[in-house]
This record gives sequence, C-alpha cells and structure tokens, in this order.
Amino acid sequence: AQTVTQSQPEMSVQEAETVTLSCTYDTSENNYYLFWYKQPPSRQMILVIRQEAYKQQNATENRFSVNFQKAAKSFSLKISDSQLGDTAMYFCAFMKATGANNLFFGTGTRLTVIP
Amino acid sequence: GAGVSQTPSNKVTEKGKYVELRCDPISGHTALYWYRQSLGQGPEFLIYFQGTGAADDSGLPNDRFFAVRPEGSVSTLKIQRTERGDSAVYLCASSLRGGGRETQYFGPGTRLLVL
Repeated sequence: AQTVTQSQPEMSVQEAETVTLSCTYDTSENNYYLFWYKQPPSRQMILVIRQEAYKQQNATENRFSVNFQKAAKSFSLKISDSQLGDTAMYFCAFMKATGANNLFFGTGTRLTVIP
Repeated sequence: GAGVSQTPSNKVTEKGKYVELRCDPISGHTALYWYRQSLGQGPEFLIYFQGTGAADDSGLPNDRFFAVRPEGSVSTLKIQRTERGDSAVYLCASSLRGGGRETQYFGPGTRLLVL
C-alpha cells in the first residue's frame, strides 16, 4: 500500500519570499510518479509539478521546484517569489508507474501568502 | 477549450435517497477518474474508466456506489440509499490516455450533503 504524509497542516509566507512544503511517502515500488497539486477555494485541483522517480534531476516549473530524495522518500515543494495567487491548499500525490492509474493524495497543506 | 465540468455543483439530499452526479470530461480524453474528498482530507480514489469500461473500481466503498460511462465520454456516479457519511466533495478528472505521464485534469467537483 502507498501512503503520502504531509506533516504541515498550515503554513504562511510573506509575499515575494520563499516557502517549502514537505511531503514524505511510503511505497515498495521502484518506479513511480510524484505530483504537487494546488486546490484554490474554487475546489478545482490544478497540477503544479510532476516528478518521475527514475529521473534524478529535480523538476522545475517557473517559480516552483522540488527537492526529490528517493532514498529518504521525500518530495518537498519550493515556491519562490510567493504571490498572493499562490494562496491555496497544496496536495502531494503519488502514482505507480505500472498497473494502477489512480493518484494517492496526502492530507494537504494550507498555504497563505501574506501581503 | 472546455475543461472538465461537473453537475450539479451542489446537491442536498435526505438520508436514504438516490443521487446521480455527472462528469463531462475533456473531449478526446479516454481516461476518467472519480475521487471523493471529505472535509479536511485529500481526495481518495473511487473508480477509473478507460473508454467505456471500468478498469479499476477498487476504491468504491461498498455496493451502494456505482458508476457508468456508456459511450466513453460522460460519466455518472450513482449512490443508492445515501448515508450521512457519504457527504463529501466528489471530484472527477480526465486524462488523454491514463498513466503517470498524462496530466489528470480535475473538475470543480460536486459537493454532496446528506441530511
């Protein structure tokens, strides 16, 4: 079974500063995908960034980057130059590379960007 | 380009009633997923369709829950004899083919309240 743990229920950051959200996971799979999704108050989940486990290079998407530590089963999200529009729930998620196609989500971190 | 749409946005029903929740995926997407998000939790997988067939229904909690996708496009999630514990946001997602390399695009969800 796969589990995803987000140990920070809430975080806040000043506008233009940098914040890191933590995620750990547990799996016996060797190959898999990891994701960060953003869920604003509108409820619509939006993909922020994706990492393939067999790739050692950390994924980056503009102001968003990850620190993927496969041995430690850690997958943190760094948001640089935080903007007010980044205020949302952030969910870390896991998907097996073969077989099941569904996402396993953590419980989320509520991020508030303070002006 | 239309995204994933879900109707109704909100549904209030009484314990014991039957409800249907509808999902319109992005045109051309063969993979469709249903998730359930309880208050304060991350989404939990319910069922995955590839085309018209349910490829994985291992997340359905019991036989009161059923979903169909008869023409490989629109999907309906059906809940019989609703219980108060069924109250949650039901999210639908679609992707082009399925698998971790494909982005799952989510709809805004249907908030179900069982009184």
